[in-house]
This record gives sequence, structure tokens and C-alpha cells, in this order.
Amino acid sequence: DIQMTQSPSSLSASVGDRVTFTCQASQDINYYLNWYQQKPGKAPKLLIYDASNLETGVPSRFNGGGSGADFTLTISSLQPEDIATYYCQQYENLPYTFGQGTKLEIK
Amino acid sequence: QLQLQESGSGLVKPSQTLSLTCAVSGDSISSAGYSWSWIRQPPGQGLEWIAYIYHGGSTYYNPSLKSRVTMSLDRSKNQFSLKLSSVTAADTAVYYCARGRDYDDTLGIFDHWGLGALVTVSS
Repeated sequence: DIQMTQSPSSLSASVGDRVTFTCQASQDINYYLNWYQQKPGKAPKLLIYDASNLETGVPSRFNGGGSGADFTLTISSLQPEDIATYYCQQYENLPYTFGQGTKLEIK
Repeated sequence: QLQLQESGSGLVKPSQTLSLTCAVSGDSISSAGYSWSWIRQPPGQGLEWIAYIYHGGSTYYNPSLKSRVTMSLDRSKNQFSLKLSSVTAADTAVYYCARGRDYDDTLGIFDHWGLGALVTVSS
């Protein structure tokens, strides 16, 4: 299985800050990488697919990048409603696998 | 508007079989270009993909669970199901059903999710 490693495990930032999450795959996954946002008690929500494509309806302050084995998710200006845990997921190979998540908190 | 809704046994005894159903509204599970998956999340932990069934009925199970998992489609009711046998406490989790979008010959973009169903394994 492809292992997905996210860093940091938690992150604290202020409203308006630029925030970056990283995700590393254990092997080359091209651009087959999704990012999800999960708020407490809710199902995950797709934010970014294909490493850098913004899902319909997702605010443009979310931006995905990277290819191969190293990927980033950036929030350009943190908003209070962005408090959540963020997961990356690869779909280059079966079984599909997720990172362990990065929990985002507001300072 | 596509909606998915999980239902099934909330409490299962160890060694028994967990059964869940996902009712789909707003789209047909027979529509080309989509797969239907189960994904679980133990309390306070991350996400684990369990299995998918393609609109044509073919399946793929996570090898870590393959010996215990069965998925099926019920086209007449527009729903799909999961059975997980010989459960233990480690199978306690919120179980989500999700739609996988076909993209570049992959099916791993989960664009719609159900609300989730908590299944507890306990005697």
C-alpha cells in the first residue's frame, strides 16, 4: 500500500494568515491526490482533486500544488470557518489511502 | 442534488456480521462513470477506505479486509450494501458511504459522502 504522511499533525494560526499543509507519498503518485476538509462530527468534504483542481463551490482561497510524491494545500487567508482537520488521499493505486490528517486551530 | 444516507446495525456483537446500507437519491447507482465506496473512521482517528463497487457490479476490496468484506448493489432500491464478518472491537468506527467519480480512468475522487453511521462492536 502507498503510505501518505501529513505534516504537521496540528497547526495553530490566526485569522488572515497564510496556512500551508504538506503531504508526502511513499512513492510517486503523479498528480493523483485529493484534499478533504472534515469538521467535527461531519463527513469529509472534497476540496481539491488531481492535486491542484478546485472542486466546484470551494472558495478560491484554497490552493493545491505538487506532483510526484510531495504535495501542498494552502489557504491564502485563513477564515474562522476553516477550522477543521485536513486529509490528503492518493488514488494512483488501489487500495486508496489517506494521510493521518492535520488539525487546524485558530490562535 | 445527490444525497447518500447510511443505515444499519449500530451495535454488533464480537464475531458477528456488521451490515450497512447506503440509500442514494438524486442519481442512479447504475450511472456510468461512478463507483460507490465504503470508508470508515475509528473514533478520534483517520480514514480508511474499505471497498468499492462499480456501476456494473464489479468490486474491489481493501486487501486488509478482503477476507471479511462483501459489497452488493440493489438497483431496484437504488442502494448498495456492506457486510463485514467476524467483527472485533477494532471495527468500531463511523462508516461512511461515498461516491467515487471516474477521472482519468481512476475512481478515487470521493465527491459526495453520506452523513456517516456509528457502528460499535461490543458484547
